Amino acid sequence: GAVVSQHPSWVICKSGTSVKIECRSLDFQATTMFWYRQFPKQSLMLMATSNEGSKATYEQGVEKDKFLINHASLTLSTLTVTSAHPEDSSFYICSAREPARYEQYFGPGTRLTVT
Amino acid sequence: GIQVEQSPPDLILQEGANSTLRCNFSDSVNNLQWFHQNPWGQLINLFYIPSGTKQNGRLSATTVATERYSLLYISSSQTTDSGVYFCAVERSAYKYIFGTGTRLKVLA
Repeated sequence: GAVVSQHPSWVICKSGTSVKIECRSLDFQATTMFWYRQFPKQSLMLMATSNEGSKATYEQGVEKDKFLINHASLTLSTLTVTSAHPEDSSFYICSAREPARYEQYFGPGTRLTVT
Repeated sequence: GIQVEQSPPDLILQEGANSTLRCNFSDSVNNLQWFHQNPWGQLINLFYIPSGTKQNGRLSATTVATERYSLLYISSSQTTDSGVYFCAVERSAYKYIFGTGTRLKVLA
C-alpha cells in the first residue's frame, strides 16, 4: 500500500522560533497533499491543501503567514510554523492521495511542543 | 458546512464482543473513509467506502449514501482494536472533513 512519512516525529522548540515539518510520499507521486491539525482528544481539522508547483490554499481561519507550506516536488511537502507560540503546540498530520486512487493515506504525525 | 457526527463517542467492550460504530453526515458526499487512530497517533486506513458494503477480516463497513450514514462493524474484538475510530467524508477537491470520533477500549 501507499506510504507517507513525516519528519520529525516530535519536536520541542522555544517560543518565537520557527519549525519545519516534512511530509513525503515514499512510493507514489502526489500532486496534492493535505495538512491537518489535531488537539488532544479532538478530531482532525484540515488546515491547508498543498499543491505541487503552486501556492497552497488555506482553510478559513488558518493564518497563511504563520503556517508556510511549500510543495517543491511530487513527493515532498513542507509545513513551517513561523514564530511559534505555545498555542501552536499540537499534533500535525499530513496526507496524500495516490493519483490513480481516491483514498488518502496519512503520515504518522509530528507532535510539536512550544515552550 | 457539512456536519459529521459519530456515535457512540466512547465505547468499552470485553474482548470477544461485537460492536457497531455509526457515522452520520449532513449532506451528500463524494467519498468516505474509515480510519483507526492507534495510541501513537497513526491513522490506519480501514475502508474506502463511498457506498455499498465491504469486509476485511473481522471488520466490515456499510455506507448508505442516500440516507447519509455509514456503519463500521467490529466482530470478536481484540485489545489491539483499542483506539479512536474516525470516519472522514469528502465534499470537493479531495478535502476531508473528519467526524467526531469514537474512542474504543477493549478489555482483556
